[in-house]
Amino acid sequence: DAGITQSPRHKVTETGTPVTLRCHQTENHRYMYWYRQDPGHGLRLIHYSYGVKDTDKGEVSDGYSVSRSKTEDFLLTLESATSSQTSVYFCAISDAGGTIYFGEGSWLTVV
Amino acid sequence: AQKITQTQPGMFVQEKEAVTLDCTYDTSDQSYGLFWYKQPSSGEMIFLIYQGSYDEQNATEGRYSLNFQKARKSANLVISASQLGDSAMYFCAMREGQRGAQKLVFGQGTRLTINP
Repeated sequence: DAGITQSPRHKVTETGTPVTLRCHQTENHRYMYWYRQDPGHGLRLIHYSYGVKDTDKGEVSDGYSVSRSKTEDFLLTLESATSSQTSVYFCAISDAGGTIYFGEGSWLTVV
Repeated sequence: AQKITQTQPGMFVQEKEAVTLDCTYDTSDQSYGLFWYKQPSSGEMIFLIYQGSYDEQNATEGRYSLNFQKARKSANLVISASQLGDSAMYFCAMREGQRGAQKLVFGQGTRLTINP
């Protein structure tokens, strides 16, 4: 157990509404990540953070923003959700040895 | 160009048999790491095993071992004595470089089904 909690775990929202997913960790890891998983694409990196207020883009960052105001929390925001953002979102951390652990996932449906 | 290739979309294996899941990768970095994850039907991503590019020995974790062939750029997962609970999707992933953020690139996965 890497001490990662994602919320909400399931959400249905309407096109055009803002959505925020939260990732909370209890182990004080420096690096945190957001991935999305879609059929046929595996997992792809959206954004990552290397410290409080330090974030950078991943492979599929368009339409997403992130924030990290505390070490333990990494937020992913969809400013105006679209149907193409229907996906499973995973938060991850990397520990001191470089192993990456994932949260339980958040299922988001945009209708 | 795809960096991680898993050529087996699905595999069916009898319980108690050993199974090898294929993974090939492409990188020009000298320092990189290879990971395998298991995703059961419940959806979570479970870390199984890790191999660093400079590790001389193949990684092992219980019934899991990683057959690392650097010259062939392959990192196959071997599961010995398969169990019904091994039925799941399996993903191979790679991170390039050593320092800093451990950004992973994933393959598309192999769905393993263990038959009783």
